Amino acid sequence: AQTVTQSQPEMSVQEAETVTLSCTYDTSESDYYLFWYKQPPSRQMILVIRQEAYKQQNATENRFSVNFQKAAKSFSLKISDSQLGDAAMYFCPIYGEGAQKLVFGQGTRLTINP
Amino acid sequence: DVKVTQSSRYLVKRTGEKVFLECVQDMDHENMFWYRQDPGLGLRLIYFSYDVKMKEKGDIPEGYSVSREKKERFSLILESASTNQTSMYLCASDRPRGGYQPQHFGDGTRLSIL
Repeated sequence: AQTVTQSQPEMSVQEAETVTLSCTYDTSESDYYLFWYKQPPSRQMILVIRQEAYKQQNATENRFSVNFQKAAKSFSLKISDSQLGDAAMYFCPIYGEGAQKLVFGQGTRLTINP
Repeated sequence: DVKVTQSSRYLVKRTGEKVFLECVQDMDHENMFWYRQDPGLGLRLIYFSYDVKMKEKGDIPEGYSVSREKKERFSLILESASTNQTSMYLCASDRPRGGYQPQHFGDGTRLSIL
């Protein structure tokens, strides 16, 4: 079985500042992927970043980077230079090669203060 | 660009009605999924399908059924709608073979049962 926990229901940050969203997971699988998706008010789920568990190097995509701690089963997202368009619900699902389905956490609502 | 299309953005139905939610993808993906999204609970998997005419129960299948007669189309059916099925419904698809590719999501259907 796989589980994901996002312990921060809501976060807020000032525009241009840096914010980190937390995510912990549990899985019995050896091959798995971790993702961060954002869901703005438009409701479209947008892939932000992905991390293959076998890769030790943390993934980065422009202003978005992850801190993947495999032993601790932690997968946090850092957003640098926050912009108003970053305001959204953020989810960090896990995909296991055995289960072949995504398992989601509760989500974190991020507010950007101008 | 890849596309997952859900037939309705908003839908209002009455208790006891049979409700159909339709989803079409144009990416030739093998797998298709139906999720339910509720505040504080994240996304929960209702049903998924890995091939035409095949279906698997997710985490919360009670009160729902699905149909996949063609590869590109996956329908969610509420056999007798109840007020506790008022929610946001998201459809997604992915291709597990040849290296996993992240799920693509539709824009969601906000369903209200009165």
